[in-house]
Amino acid sequence: KNEVEQSPQNLTAQEGEFITINCSYSVGISALHWLQQHPGGGIVSLFMLSSGKKKHGRLIATINIQEKHSSLHITASHPRDSAVYICAVNLPLIKAAGNKLTFGGGTRVLVKP
Amino acid sequence: GAGVSQSPRYKVAKRGQDVALRCDPISGHVSLFWYQQALGQGPEFLTYFQNEAQLDKSGLPSDRFFAERPEGSVSTLKIQRTQQEDSAVYLCASSLQIYSNQPQHFGDGTRLSIL
Repeated sequence: KNEVEQSPQNLTAQEGEFITINCSYSVGISALHWLQQHPGGGIVSLFMLSSGKKKHGRLIATINIQEKHSSLHITASHPRDSAVYICAVNLPLIKAAGNKLTFGGGTRVLVKP
Repeated sequence: GAGVSQSPRYKVAKRGQDVALRCDPISGHVSLFWYQQALGQGPEFLTYFQNEAQLDKSGLPSDRFFAERPEGSVSTLKIQRTQQEDSAVYLCASSLQIYSNQPQHFGDGTRLSIL
């Protein structure tokens, strides 16, 4: 079983719809990241959170540490939101290992006009 | 520099050839990571550098994979005697500090295809 699981794997929405992507993890973590990857391959960091909720524009990320679960919401979705969204976690810091990321498999989002 | 730079963007090699992938991290970033991303999958950790020291290479899939960062800035990932299963996108990321959780800044990756 992967340490980080995302659902759904694929999601198609109509422009304007509310989108939710879920991430569950099975280990203790020090932080959780939501990343966006466009077809060209580059990855952009959207959020890093260890508790509560963060909002940036139309994007909202929440985390429940007790339930080991996080969600990424996209409000009023737009075709330019089409991308792969990846959940990743930092395991508790070990000095020799730095803050490497453990990734989920990604959710491919397509927003149709 | 403005961001993490990786070169080449695309590399095609014949099975058995050696390849070298370069990563130029953001200036001053202490931590540097290499990840491997197979088609349709999430990235997986390969190796980690703190300045010039390679502190974790637990993700390197075989002894054909070798990484270095001799002066604590630019890093090179070398794959010897390439195999078809080495085909993937190789991502480099850097972050400013060592022990605190911080966002990692990713390059655009090198897409490696082994024929």
